[in-house]
Amino acid sequence: DAEITQSPRHKITETGRQVTLACHQTWNHNNMFWYRQDLGHGLRLIHYSYGVQDTNKGEVSDGYSVSRSNTEDLPLTLESAASSQTSVYFCASSGGPSGYNEQFFGPGTRLTVL
Amino acid sequence: GDSVTQMEGPVTLSEEAFLTINCTYTATGYPSLFWYVQYPGEGLQLLLKATKADDKGSNKGFEATYRKETTSFHLEKGSVQVSDSAVYFCALSEGGTSYGKLTFGQGTILTVHP
Repeated sequence: DAEITQSPRHKITETGRQVTLACHQTWNHNNMFWYRQDLGHGLRLIHYSYGVQDTNKGEVSDGYSVSRSNTEDLPLTLESAASSQTSVYFCASSGGPSGYNEQFFGPGTRLTVL
Repeated sequence: GDSVTQMEGPVTLSEEAFLTINCTYTATGYPSLFWYVQYPGEGLQLLLKATKADDKGSNKGFEATYRKETTSFHLEKGSVQVSDSAVYFCALSEGGTSYGKLTFGQGTILTVHP
């Protein structure tokens, strides 16, 4: 069955370190998204991609970067982790160009920055 | 910009009670509207959606009607079960050139007691 996976599921790191969170989908979807979930804020969009070599900034992109070298993967990199980036991170993908298409979410990565 | 506002939670109900979770939105165009559900320790799953005014989305006994005149998309269920305990998110997507980016409300925690 097609799926979307994230790794690691839990990560503890120190302030200033570079961290990369992986997202892999086997739906063959063109569109991929990264969100962070914080209490009281719901989910907020960090970065998104509409295809290979395409990346775009979302609402809360400062301190994060992504790259899209193939259809299946969209890794999220925290260049220099900060305590404010402690959060739960969700990756999602969708198949088509319109807003009608359902987004499928991964199980999430809980990141703690000490 | 676009925004979604959900009723404050948490919401605590007894089994078989009636559920309403209010959701209102602000958008410049004609968005698609969604309800997502998040069970403990999991990612988000699409519960229902509506793509144009007066559409009613329904799934698993839950319903929501797209009300353009009141910019609302309230979630209802006639008789909740313990298994409905989860976090519920209202979301919108502008569609068109937005290609499915979602704007989420802050989430409402629902707890159903036997």
